Amino acid sequence: DGGITQSPKYLFRKEGQNVTLSCEQNLNHDAMYWYRQDPGQGLRLIYYSQIVNDFQKGDIAEGYSVSREKKESFPLTVTSAQKNPTAFYLCASSISGGNLLTGYTFGSGTRLTVV
Amino acid sequence: KNEVEQSPQNLTAQEGEFITINCSYSVGISALHWLQQHPGGGIVSLFMLSSGKKKHGRLIATINIQEKHSSLHITASHPRDSAVYICAVPFTGNQFYFGTGTSLTVIP
Repeated sequence: DGGITQSPKYLFRKEGQNVTLSCEQNLNHDAMYWYRQDPGQGLRLIYYSQIVNDFQKGDIAEGYSVSREKKESFPLTVTSAQKNPTAFYLCASSISGGNLLTGYTFGSGTRLTVV
Repeated sequence: KNEVEQSPQNLTAQEGEFITINCSYSVGISALHWLQQHPGGGIVSLFMLSSGKKKHGRLIATINIQEKHSSLHITASHPRDSAVYICAVPFTGNQFYFGTGTSLTVIP
């Protein structure tokens, strides 16, 4: 079955440590996205990538970094510069960048807790 | 100010009840999306609509472009409908404004 796999589902890290969240898709989608979800707030875009070896900052990119070396993979690193890293992180992909969420596939998310 | 506002934030219903979730937006849009977030966190798209009404099973979505308002209705609600429902509107390229979500719990 095609889909997006995010791992791990739960992640705990000590303050000051970098941590990398995995996102893999086997849908042959060109575009991939990282969103952050906090209680009482809508999803916010962190980074997105339309093609391999290219990515753009979203609304809240500070303290995060990404890479897109392969079409299937779009890992997100939460660095120690991110002031409030504890959140739920969602990865998504779509055939090509566009404004049709119906074409999006979302992962199941990773809940990161920094202690 | 949020560009997309949802109400209510939380909703508890008895099984079988008719449910309405509301979404108001302040920007011009080409389409509005309703999403469902499962308790495990995954999100699926329920509807995309730009006018009128759409129906899928027990779910009905309506939109009034002039009033900038959309509603999601669930008829004969069931405990498996328990989830967070999110509305979203595109604003540029592939970016969206997302509502904060309505958490629905349907009690047997």
